[in-house]
Amino acid sequence: ELKVEQNPLFLSMQEGKNYTIYCNYSTTSDRLYWYRQDPGKSLESLFVLLSNGAVKQEGRLMASLDTKARLSTLHITAAVHDLSATYFCAVVPSTGKLIFGQGTTLQVKP
Amino acid sequence: DAGVTQSPTHLIKTRGQHVTLRCSPISGHKSVSWYQQVLGQGPQFIFQYYEKEERGRGNFPDRFSARQFPNYSSELNVNALLLGDSALYLCASSRGVLAVVSSYNEQFFGPGTRLTVL
Repeated sequence: ELKVEQNPLFLSMQEGKNYTIYCNYSTTSDRLYWYRQDPGKSLESLFVLLSNGAVKQEGRLMASLDTKARLSTLHITAAVHDLSATYFCAVVPSTGKLIFGQGTTLQVKP
Repeated sequence: DAGVTQSPTHLIKTRGQHVTLRCSPISGHKSVSWYQQVLGQGPQFIFQYYEKEERGRGNFPDRFSARQFPNYSSELNVNALLLGDSALYLCASSRGVLAVVSSYNEQFFGPGTRLTVL
């Protein structure tokens, strides 16, 4: 059974600090997505990573993909309160279904 | 351009009832997918439709069904509602099917329908 595991599930950090969210998946996937979800809201697409070694950056967020290790990271640089949200990674195995991790809830404190 | 739209935004039903949720994709998108998100969990894939044909199904009982119309809008139907069906139901649209690798097939999510079953 395909598993997508995020670590940590909850992260409380101070503004200005750096941290990394990890996403491990248990079967091959040729792409990986990162989404953001604010409380009670829908999912906002952050990054689409399509190949091994792909790295994408947007503002204070940077995502990378290692398909050999089946690992993606979402790195947060100098966190600000506006980044507080739940972050999901998702993969697409050969079944062609989008499989999500459990989510990482990020709380950035002033 | 308008994004993905869903209706209704909120819905309260009782056990055993039937519900129909609706989704309109982004203009030019031919694929619609449905997801169930229970509070505190990640979304779970229910269905994907492309050009009115089912192209993927998740591990959900036969009480769940869907269809896609010629204008690419879609309906999700759930029969014999259970308390455990209470969730946020998300619709996502994309140009193509998930099985094809391409950023072209990135999914864009609608605001969701929050279903409460009492």
